[in-house]
Formats: sequence, structure tokens, C-alpha cells
Amino acid sequence: DAGVTQSPTHLIKTRGQHVTLRCSPISGHKSVSWYQQVLGQGPQFIFQYYEKEERGRGNFPDRFSARQFPNYSSELNVNALLLGDSALYLCASSSTAQQYFGPGTRLTVT
Amino acid sequence: RKEVEQDPGPFNVPEGATVAFNCTYSNSASQSFFWYRQDCRKEPKLLMSVYSSGNEDGRFTAQLNRASQYISLLIRDSKLSDSATYLCVVDLNDYKLSFGAGTTVTVRA
Repeated sequence: DAGVTQSPTHLIKTRGQHVTLRCSPISGHKSVSWYQQVLGQGPQFIFQYYEKEERGRGNFPDRFSARQFPNYSSELNVNALLLGDSALYLCASSSTAQQYFGPGTRLTVT
Repeated sequence: RKEVEQDPGPFNVPEGATVAFNCTYSNSASQSFFWYRQDCRKEPKLLMSVYSSGNEDGRFTAQLNRASQYISLLIRDSKLSDSATYLCVVDLNDYKLSFGAGTTVTVRA
């Protein structure tokens, strides 16, 4: 079975630009979570979506938004990129308490 | 205060050695506890859940002390392949995982 997939794998943007990251959960999983991992730190929770509804939001500015589609895939959008947004963005899907992570999208903002 | 704090290490140990490290968590209402393993530039992968009674999975033993709010991981008979960053993870509710910054372990031949 396919695991969690994310696209793109790498991305380079400049300050002020907008970015969209995509995630496809494991088949049958209805919940998707997004995390940001800055180098040298653990992942930080950004959002969780369940059945297309936002279920939780971490301490991130309004420049970060997300949505979930009827097929349970999800997009994370970040507007007005800052240098500090450079990080590995991880998507995790779950059907129970256990979360399974995708390989991540490595975003570099220059 | 951070929700989850870990000793960053690094712990440099020879093959065959035993290595142990802890993490502490701040919220006494935390429900579930995990250790994840993360290899360089890869995604975190679940190593094991941590139960109040303590649990083993092969060479790995996890302990939870709710009274003192700490979690431990012990690795016996270390292998080169155990070299990784170990993330302590606390689940406050159904949806949010709180990660520590990780403990780096390097096993040398």
C-alpha cells in the first residue's frame, strides 16, 4: 500500500512569494495534519483537518492556511513568505491516534 | 517553558553499548506518549508507544513516570543502524502531537 505522499519534494522561493504544498494521505485515512520542522528542532504542529473540517490549529500566523478536499488530500498554503519559513514541511495522516508521516517538502526561502 | 524537553546529546557510544536518555513534559493532562526515530533529512517514524507499565520492543525499552512527568528510552546492544535522532512525542488530545527537539545518538564501530 502507498504511504503518505507529498509534493513537491523540494522548493525554492523568494521572500514575499506564495507557496502551495500538497499531501495525499494513506488510503482510508480521513485525517491530515501539517507540521513545520526547522533545522535542529522537532516538528511543530500547524493544522489538522478531519473530514474536510479544521480540527485544530497551532501557533502560526494567518499567512498559513490549509484545506482538505473530498478525497481527503490536503493543501498547505503560505503567503508572503519570510526567510524564517524555510523548513521541512511534513504531512501526517491518521485513522486512529497513530500518525504516519510523509517524506516532507523542503522549502527554502531566499 | 517548552511542552517537551529533551537532552540534545549527542550521545556517542560504541557498538554493543547501552545508551539511555530522558525527556520531560510540562502538561500533566497529556494522554499518550511515543518515541519517534528520525534519520537525517528524512521523516519521523514511530519507534514505539510508551505505556505506564513500561514496555519493550526488542532491544528498546521505554518507561513513563507520570508523577515526575518524564519518559525514558533505553537502547541495549547498540547497532550502527541505531544512529539517528530520537524524538520524544506527547499527545495532549486527539489531534496535536508535541515533539521534543530530539536526542542525537551516534553509534561507532
